[in-house]
Amino acid sequence: NAGVTQTPKFQVLKTGQSMTLQCAQDMNHEYMSWYRQDPGMGLRLIHYSVGAGITDQGEVPNGYNVSRSTTEDFPLRLLSAAPSQTSVYFCASGDTAVREQFFGPGTRLTVL
Amino acid sequence: GEDVEQSLFLSVREGDSSVINCTYTDSSSTYLYWYKQEPGAGLQLLTYIFSNMDMKQDQRLTVLLNKKDKHLSLRIADTQTGDSAIYFCAENGPGNTGKLIFGQGTTLQVKP
Repeated sequence: NAGVTQTPKFQVLKTGQSMTLQCAQDMNHEYMSWYRQDPGMGLRLIHYSVGAGITDQGEVPNGYNVSRSTTEDFPLRLLSAAPSQTSVYFCASGDTAVREQFFGPGTRLTVL
Repeated sequence: GEDVEQSLFLSVREGDSSVINCTYTDSSSTYLYWYKQEPGAGLQLLTYIFSNMDMKQDQRLTVLLNKKDKHLSLRIADTQTGDSAIYFCAENGPGNTGKLIFGQGTTLQVKP
């Protein structure tokens, strides 16, 4: 039982490039979400999903897309990377009651 | 809107008790959480409290909730150097949607 996994761990992009951050969970959780962590600002919600085929925007969704075709996977796409997207990205999952949410190890992204 | 506030830094001596405080604004939150983040790592769920409880104890951890003042605290008894980390308070917002709202994090420094 791996929990929540994220790939890659580190990534450097040039401005304007696109990429996908991968997130997978093996706990059969319905709820999944993406957060970004910036110094002194805690974590902010980007997008979330309450089940396969259902996604919605969080607090800071601009510049990011998501899809949820399976229960296990919830990829985050950066369409055209900008330096303001330099951050650490965390994926989380939780059961239907969403009492406990478990976080992945994070992806550290630098946009030059 | 919803907001969660924490003090940024706390320093204690090994063996002392640590108390980390948090205030939140959304009185309709169902659950309130404490997460721990060690350097370069993801977030580890330490404990959570249901909003109709006043206190929850789990080994060295004691969570106190004052709903009237919208104040949450985490007490760590017999603090060890391994407790040095950033501690995040979070609330799950209205309607138990799973959309966590985080404080900025409190850096706990434990001196030997």
